[in-house]
Amino acid sequence: GAVVSQHPSRVICKSGTSVKIECRSLDFQATTMFWYRQFPKKSLMLMATSNEGSKATYEQGVEKDKFLINHASLTLSTLTVTSAHPEDSSFYICSARGHPAFGEKLFFGSGTQLSVL
Amino acid sequence: QKEVEQNSGPLSVPEGAIASLNCTYSDRGSQSFFWYRQYSGKSPELIMSIYSNGDKEDGRFTAQLNKASQYVSLLIRDSQPSDSATYLCAVMKGAQKLVFGQGTRLTINP
Repeated sequence: GAVVSQHPSRVICKSGTSVKIECRSLDFQATTMFWYRQFPKKSLMLMATSNEGSKATYEQGVEKDKFLINHASLTLSTLTVTSAHPEDSSFYICSARGHPAFGEKLFFGSGTQLSVL
Repeated sequence: QKEVEQNSGPLSVPEGAIASLNCTYSDRGSQSFFWYRQYSGKSPELIMSIYSNGDKEDGRFTAQLNKASQYVSLLIRDSQPSDSATYLCAVMKGAQKLVFGQGTRLTINP
């Protein structure tokens, strides 16, 4: 099956710093990747859709200047949380749609737990 | 009205019994439905997908879909302690956007 690698799995940073999270599709090409955020005991909320070679599409209420998404290749999308603040502390998860042979399944990365002090 | 609604639980079921998880959705035009399992601190894992009215069985899991009632459910037979997790219902919106319910926390008691 398709594998999505997400790195780092956990990061602790000081308020005001920027954090970059990488999402890679290891054995397939993903023209579209998705970034989700999940607060404790809450569901996954889609933040943005990352499109290879073009600008990301952000969901309503998500600040595009704060959450920078780059999808420079068919196997890599990055999310940069700029000037992070404690309220940005959350579990960030990426996902990618696999080859049509795998149907409409989304494959998820392992997630990144961000803690902003 | 939320796009995808689930009872947050917790739902407690004795080991060996059937666990029944329910989900309703608001968009009558939705065509694709998914159940994910998520352990604490981990990312979701796909359990079942269902696209047509009726039942779909896979091992101990059965997904049920009723588009007229806008209702999808997941049955887990012979529940095991390892089934204890949060179960997320998800509905495809448009061509590729997946909308999740808040999840139901399931506990299987030995």
